[in-house]
Amino acid sequence: DTGVSQDPRHKITKRGQNVTFRCDPISEHNRLYWYRQTLGQGPEFLTYFQNEAQLEKSRLLSDRFSAERPKGSFSTLEIQRTEQGDSAMYLCASQPGGTNTEAFFGQGTRLTVV
Amino acid sequence: GDSVTQMEGPVTLSEEAFLTINCTYTATGYPSLFWYVQYPGEGLQLLLKATKADDKGSNKGFEATYRKETTSFHLEKGSVQVSDSAVYFCALRNNQFYFGTGTSLTVIP
Repeated sequence: DTGVSQDPRHKITKRGQNVTFRCDPISEHNRLYWYRQTLGQGPEFLTYFQNEAQLEKSRLLSDRFSAERPKGSFSTLEIQRTEQGDSAMYLCASQPGGTNTEAFFGQGTRLTVV
Repeated sequence: GDSVTQMEGPVTLSEEAFLTINCTYTATGYPSLFWYVQYPGEGLQLLLKATKADDKGSNKGFEATYRKETTSFHLEKGSVQVSDSAVYFCALRNNQFYFGTGTSLTVIP
């Protein structure tokens, strides 16, 4: 068990390009979360999955953002037509079953849109 | 909606000083409460948690008590060390996790 893994760690892209990030959760964790964190702020919820089902998506999330978790294992987060305001750290976390368990976070993917 | 409000930083303390970081929450139902810590250049790590009213979470000398009557979960440590310098996030879980804005702590020798 190597923890939650995110790839890439850093991504620089030009405005208007599409980017995709990958998250590999801890095995057998059935919940997976995506958060976004900007400097000086706490993590902001984007979406979460229970196995392969996407159960909730932030109302603040633009339609340019989409996430998948095929087969309930790894997950991808895609941002289409990136904007400079998308520059942030994108965090993935996984959680085992149970209502009182904590989430385990990856190191994050830092996105810079130039 | 659910939310977490925590003490603004940054906080600077001398080694062996007493630490309190205030955290209050708004939530429906009975959320679990957490403190996460983020050391420089690292990801978020769980520091401690409490799952019901009056529970006390503790780890590495840090403590926090789930106070339902005051909707608070303040973080305390009796004697901080330089190695405690980090950003601390209070969080609650009600389906998803809600985080505060973080409090930066710097401990000077």
